[in-house]
Amino acid sequence: NAGVTQTPKFRVLKTGQSMTLLCAQDMNHEYMYWYRQDPGMGLRLIHYSVGEGTTAKGEVPDGYNVSRLKKQNFLLGLESAAPSQTSVYFCASSSRGAGGPVHEQYFGPGTRLTVT
Amino acid sequence: EDQVTQSPEALRLQEGESSSLNCSYTVSGLRGLFWYRQDPGKGPEFLFTLYSAGEEKEKERLKATLTKKESFLHITAPKPEDSATYLCAVQAPQDSSASKIIFGSGTRLSIRP
Repeated sequence: NAGVTQTPKFRVLKTGQSMTLLCAQDMNHEYMYWYRQDPGMGLRLIHYSVGEGTTAKGEVPDGYNVSRLKKQNFLLGLESAAPSQTSVYFCASSSRGAGGPVHEQYFGPGTRLTVT
Repeated sequence: EDQVTQSPEALRLQEGESSSLNCSYTVSGLRGLFWYRQDPGKGPEFLFTLYSAGEEKEKERLKATLTKKESFLHITAPKPEDSATYLCAVQAPQDSSASKIIFGSGTRLSIRP
């Protein structure tokens, strides 16, 4: 049971290049999330998904796109990378929760992205 | 505006020296408050969920409490392995059908042997 995995672990891009970050979870969770974490700013939600084929914008969606073609996978794309997108990216997943809508999140190990 | 503020930003303690971390929040309609632990270079790890004022939860040397405006993470007789960043997050309604999760910026806890 691997939990939440992310690939790659590290990446360096030049301004204007594109890339896709892959997140996979084996817990059969409905919800999946992409966050970025910057020093002093906490985790900020980029996009999230409440189920296969469904995505929604979070707090900081500009410059990113996502897709959830399979329940276990959630992809984050950067079409034209900018230095402001240098950050650590975390994927997370959660279940709906038997007791209602409140549910803890399970995080992957993160991807450290540098855009030069 | 919904907000989560954690204090202090950093805390250095001697092994065995008990203390508390604070998470204050201003949201409309709290659905739940979460505490996570994050080690350097790793993703956050879930610790506790608190749902309503007066609730308490414990795990080893950690105890989390909740009031209507803030939560405390009490650490009793900490050990060096408790050194980490502790994150607080709240879940609140975004609209009638969805909720949002807001994270604080964390408290970096360092325990000296």
